Amino acid sequence: DGGITQSPKYLFRKEGQNVTLSCEQNLNHDAMYWYRQDPGQGLRLIYYSQIVNDFQKGDIAEGYSVSREKKESFPLTVTSAQKNPTAFYLCASSIGGRSSGNTIYFGEGSWLTVV
Amino acid sequence: AQSVTQLDSHVSVSEGTPVLLRCNYSSSYSPSLFWYVQHPNKGLQLLLKYTSAATLVKGINGFEAEFKKSETSFHLTKPSAHMSDAAEYFCVVSERDSSASKIIFGSGTRLSIRP
Repeated sequence: DGGITQSPKYLFRKEGQNVTLSCEQNLNHDAMYWYRQDPGQGLRLIYYSQIVNDFQKGDIAEGYSVSREKKESFPLTVTSAQKNPTAFYLCASSIGGRSSGNTIYFGEGSWLTVV
Repeated sequence: AQSVTQLDSHVSVSEGTPVLLRCNYSSSYSPSLFWYVQHPNKGLQLLLKYTSAATLVKGINGFEAEFKKSETSFHLTKPSAHMSDAAEYFCVVSERDSSASKIIFGSGTRLSIRP
């Protein structure tokens, strides 16, 4: 079955550490996205990529970095510069880019907690 | 500019009674509109979408939504609530035919079902 796989589901990070969240899709989608969701709140866009080897900052990119070396993979690194990283992170993908009106499909999410 | 407003942060209904989750939007172009459902600690699942075809859109699990351009609304309804409908619901707007468009998520409505 096609879908989006995020790992790990739960991750704990110590202060000052970088961590990387994995996102893999086998839907052959060109566009991929990372969103952050804080408890009881909506989604905020961190980064998005419309094509391999290209990505753009979203609304809250500070303290995060991404890469898009392969079409199916879009890992997110939460750096030590991110002051409040504890949140639920959602990866998503769609056939076309953000202006196409295409359906966005989501992974199951990753919980990151700073300890 | 795009925006989406979910008018209720929390809705509580009795099992077997109708559900109404309200969403208003603003868009400069022809919008695509979506409703997603999120169960606790899960990703978002598409319920239904409107992309300029029929204004009454039927989705999964008995949900439907009506696009009303004159009222700039896209309210989500279901005739009879089930306990399994308890979740967070997000209204999403995406503009097409605009190079500067973006996807906007509403802040979410938490639906509770009373036995």
